[in-house]
Amino acid sequence: IVLTQTPGTLSLSPGERATLSCRASETVSANYLAWYQQRPGQAPRLLIYGASSRATGISDRFSGSGSGTDFTLTISRLEPEDFAVYYCQQYDRSPRTFGQGTKVEIK
Amino acid sequence: QVHLVESGGGLVKPGGSLRLSCAASGFAFGDYYMSWIRQAPGKGPQWISYISSDSGYTNYVDSVEGRFTISRDNARNTLYLQMNSLRVEDTAVYYCARDPYDEVLTGFYDNWGQGTLVTVSS
Repeated sequence: IVLTQTPGTLSLSPGERATLSCRASETVSANYLAWYQQRPGQAPRLLIYGASSRATGISDRFSGSGSGTDFTLTISRLEPEDFAVYYCQQYDRSPRTFGQGTKVEIK
Repeated sequence: QVHLVESGGGLVKPGGSLRLSCAASGFAFGDYYMSWIRQAPGKGPQWISYISSDSGYTNYVDSVEGRFTISRDNARNTLYLQMNSLRVEDTAVYYCARDPYDEVLTGFYDNWGQGTLVTVSS
């Protein structure tokens, strides 16, 4: 399953709302989709699994939605630490695949 | 606190071999599926292999099948990746990562190591 993330880069100011999209080439069954955040020089960090369930310790500013082939990660109010690259990942079919990422940068 | 520490990366010539290790602590390593995931410079992550908690099941992405071998030593709380016949396109940061639930393969990853860089170049 190929995951296409849009936009490639999102330029926003702190306090603004960020909406990131992930589109799958085939239906992702049972919403087996996760989102990760990656800061420079760090490993990816799990944010969302099951399309909409927040991982342990993740702020409620992060929310996931969607089903089928279209999924969205929303960051309600950007904090300075949220400027990073975000990846979606499907775990419905093998091989597990990741999107190419959306960079959220400070405007 | 879950802690995963990779080691063994470095510079190797095309056709060469490397063995990566991932030392785990802070959880019951022997109860969890583990994976290797790599990330080439400027690219998204790529899952390459997983192994079941008892080593009974392994799986690989097509591009490494037959060249890479995943294994684990539950007594030493360590995951391994033997990489043979390395290619330039294998250049990446290699991460070990844990499935979130014991004894169950889910396919997403709640804990990652810091990664080890493998560079394949002549």
